[in-house]
Amino acid sequence: DAGVTQSPTHLIKTRGQQVTLRCSPKSGHDTVSWYQQALGQGPQFIFQYYEEEERQRGNFPDRFSGHQFPNYSSELNVNALLLGDSALYLCASSLARGWDRGNIQYFGAGTRLSVL
Amino acid sequence: AQSVTQLGSHVSVSEGALVLLRCNYSSSVPPYLFWYVQYPNQGLQLLLKYTTGATLVKGINGFEAEFKKSETSFHLTKPSAHMSDAAEYFCAVSDTNGGSQGNLIFGKGTKLSVKP
Repeated sequence: DAGVTQSPTHLIKTRGQQVTLRCSPKSGHDTVSWYQQALGQGPQFIFQYYEEEERQRGNFPDRFSGHQFPNYSSELNVNALLLGDSALYLCASSLARGWDRGNIQYFGAGTRLSVL
Repeated sequence: AQSVTQLGSHVSVSEGALVLLRCNYSSSVPPYLFWYVQYPNQGLQLLLKYTTGATLVKGINGFEAEFKKSETSFHLTKPSAHMSDAAEYFCAVSDTNGGSQGNLIFGKGTKLSVKP
């Protein structure tokens, strides 16, 4: 049973460019959440997707957008990259059913984005 | 707004010594609480979680944590440190309110070093 997989593992971009990160959830999971982890910090919630719709969003600008596909996989897009967008981007999957019992989020290994 | 405070960004213990990593939270509603571990260049792995019921929670790798509502704390302990415990540890809180659907709010993390 594959866990959460993310691609690519590393990415280097320049300021102003656009980037797309991809995530495949754990088998059987229907909800995908994205987090940004800056160096030396804890992960920060970007947004969550369920049933192909953005269900919740953290305090991130509109340059950050996402998508969820019918097979539950997800993409994170960041436009007009800034130096401050350099971070580890983590994807987590979970089941919508059971959130009220402290449903576990399973994390992928992340994509490390460097903006030069 | 919910928040998590982890006291001590870096904790160093000797192999075989007690591990104590501190976490305090603020939440307007009874929270769900989690401890995750992150090894270098890897994603987050769940150590343990508290939802309801018994306030002493046992996790993987010999770790446990106790939920103390009166102190708004959820400290992580392990009786005897092992070299393989060296990693970064994150405490997280999740709102039990229906609106949040389980978003995780993380502390800044505590890096644990284990000396031989």
